[in-house]
Amino acid sequence: GAVVSQHPSWVICKSGTSVKIECRSLDFQATTMFWYRQFPKQSLMLMATSNEGSKATYEQGVEKDKFLINHASLTLSTLTVTSAHPEDSSFYICSARSPGIAKNIQYFGAGTRLSVL
Amino acid sequence: RKEVEQDPGPFNVPEGATVAFNCTYSNSASQSFFWYRQDCRKEPKLLMSVYSSGNEDGRFTAQLNRASQYISLLIRDSKLSDSATYLCVVRETGANNLFFGTGTRLTVIP
Repeated sequence: GAVVSQHPSWVICKSGTSVKIECRSLDFQATTMFWYRQFPKQSLMLMATSNEGSKATYEQGVEKDKFLINHASLTLSTLTVTSAHPEDSSFYICSARSPGIAKNIQYFGAGTRLSVL
Repeated sequence: RKEVEQDPGPFNVPEGATVAFNCTYSNSASQSFFWYRQDCRKEPKLLMSVYSSGNEDGRFTAQLNRASQYISLLIRDSKLSDSATYLCVVRETGANNLFFGTGTRLTVIP
């Protein structure tokens, strides 16, 4: 089946630093990828939709200048958390829709646990 | 109002028991429905899609009631390995992204 790889799986950083998370579709091309955030005991919340070759679409309440998204190729989207603060500590998960017959299925990366000290 | 609502549980059941989870969604124009499973500190993984006629996959049965905007998941003969959080997921018509319920936590006890 389709595989989405996310890296790194765990990041601990100091407040004020920037963190980049990569999301790759390994065996298919994804024109659209999604970035979600999940706080403890809460649901996954969509942050933004990443579109290859164009600007990302951000959900209401998500700061586009803080969460920079780049989707430069059909297999890679990156999320950069700029000037991270402790309240940004969360579980960040990317996903991509598979093309073809199962195009309604979204596959998820393994997630990145961000801890900002 | 949340797009997708679930009973968070937890549900603690003995091995071999049958357990049912329910979910409601707010947008009547929703198009696609899924149950995902999420283990602790892991990403969600697709358990099964939910079709209008209802569908079964081994011990798992999913039902959809569009009139009531209600989705269910039935697990028969529960196994210890079924312990996880079960997420009700909906895609609205014309939308690319998914809306997740908060999940229902299931623990199967030996």
